[in-house]
Amino acid sequence: DVVLTQSPLSLPVTLGQPASISCRSSQSLIHSNGNTYLNWFQQRPGQSPRRLIYRVSKRDSGVPDRFSGSGSGTDFTLKISRVEAEDIGVYYCMQGTQWPPYTFGQGTKLEIK
Amino acid sequence: VQLLESGGDLVQPGGSLRISCTASGFSFISYAMSWVRQAPGKGLEWVSGISSTGGSAYYADSVKGRFTVSRDNSKNTLSLQMNSLRAEDTAVYFCVKDGQWLLGDFDYWGLGTLVTVSA
Repeated sequence: DVVLTQSPLSLPVTLGQPASISCRSSQSLIHSNGNTYLNWFQQRPGQSPRRLIYRVSKRDSGVPDRFSGSGSGTDFTLKISRVEAEDIGVYYCMQGTQWPPYTFGQGTKLEIK
Repeated sequence: VQLLESGGDLVQPGGSLRISCTASGFSFISYAMSWVRQAPGKGLEWVSGISSTGGSAYYADSVKGRFTVSRDNSKNTLSLQMNSLRAEDTAVYFCVKDGQWLLGDFDYWGLGTLVTVSA
């Protein structure tokens, strides 16, 4: 199975400051069709997960442009350019390239300092 | 798009439960679907996925042989039959829309239904 390792697991950030979360895969996530199926999800307290980024860097409709995704192969990053209070929650990376099973990272808890 | 799960309950270890998900707002027959669970205070775990036609189904090793996923495209309904339930199956179960193929698109999630396995 593909193991996704996120870091850090806890991320205290000052409002207005940038934040960055790393997701490293135990195997390349480049599919045989050339696409890379690496997604990022946000789960606010008490809510269902919400997809923010798909295929490494494509932002979902309605997602603020302060969120961006990058990376390739086995190393991926989610960046928030300026953290706002509504960004509090847990962030997960997830791969859909080598399945079953689909696998998620452990989650990174973003909190305000 | 709306995904509404139902059927979560308190079940004894070794018991069975069937949970369902009713989909609306998209062409259900055109999309693969998955179940993802989240144990209390823990992360996300993919449980099972099924192709758009229902002809192919996949399971996590942790539930293989105990859980069965199915869909009724005439009723826009996804189901998960859970047998031989264990304490470690206690979780919120989310119904998740995938892409036209099973590639982990996971663009829409339901609110979840809580399954508690306890004596």
